[in-house]
Amino acid sequence: GAGVSQSPSNKVTEKGKDVELRCDPISGHTALYWYRQSLGQGLEFLIYFQGNSAPDKSGLPSDRFSAERTGGSVSTLTIQRTQQEDSAVYLCASSPSGTGGSYGYTFGSGTRLTVV
Amino acid sequence: KNEVEQSPQNLTAQEGEFITINCSYSVGISALHWLQQHPGGGIVSLFMLSSGKKKHGRLIATINIQEKHSSLHITASHPRDSAVYICAVLEGQNFVFGPGTRLSVLP
Repeated sequence: GAGVSQSPSNKVTEKGKDVELRCDPISGHTALYWYRQSLGQGLEFLIYFQGNSAPDKSGLPSDRFSAERTGGSVSTLTIQRTQQEDSAVYLCASSPSGTGGSYGYTFGSGTRLTVV
Repeated sequence: KNEVEQSPQNLTAQEGEFITINCSYSVGISALHWLQQHPGGGIVSLFMLSSGKKKHGRLIATINIQEKHSSLHITASHPRDSAVYICAVLEGQNFVFGPGTRLSVLP
């Protein structure tokens, strides 16, 4: 597609439920990133995928968070047993190369998650 | 000390004013990005810099690697420039984000 697509755009869930957030990067982009932005806070790195390499999961805040990227394209971020502190906007970005190189990054419009 | 700092935190300007937002960082980086986050939350990558200066329309970004400092300038500011501007440095493969500068341009 023309840009990075994320779905759903908004998600309200009850505490304790599991949620899945989807990111569809720009076709051909090998690098994919997940970030989150809590209310009033800056952007926080979560996880990074580069091609077929093992993902960099160093930013995941707890073992309730996991992500996968199937076929080097679409990525799903899963949050199990959601807590209220998980409420945030979850942003996905992709780039043609792992370093962002000369090409920069393209961000999706985000998924606003609210845990009630 | 945060790895990436920005100043000012908030900025209100009158339409037409020249605006400067500053970013300083304390880590070794391979590149620095300036991002614009619109009130609705969408993020746009404005510039990627590893040295020197870049210009796009009314926006100019500069970086001084030795001083670990970058500036984003907006000439002839307009209300549609109102947004949060975020400095993000690429440390290895990952971004480290600054706290952002909230800009409001009044008509």
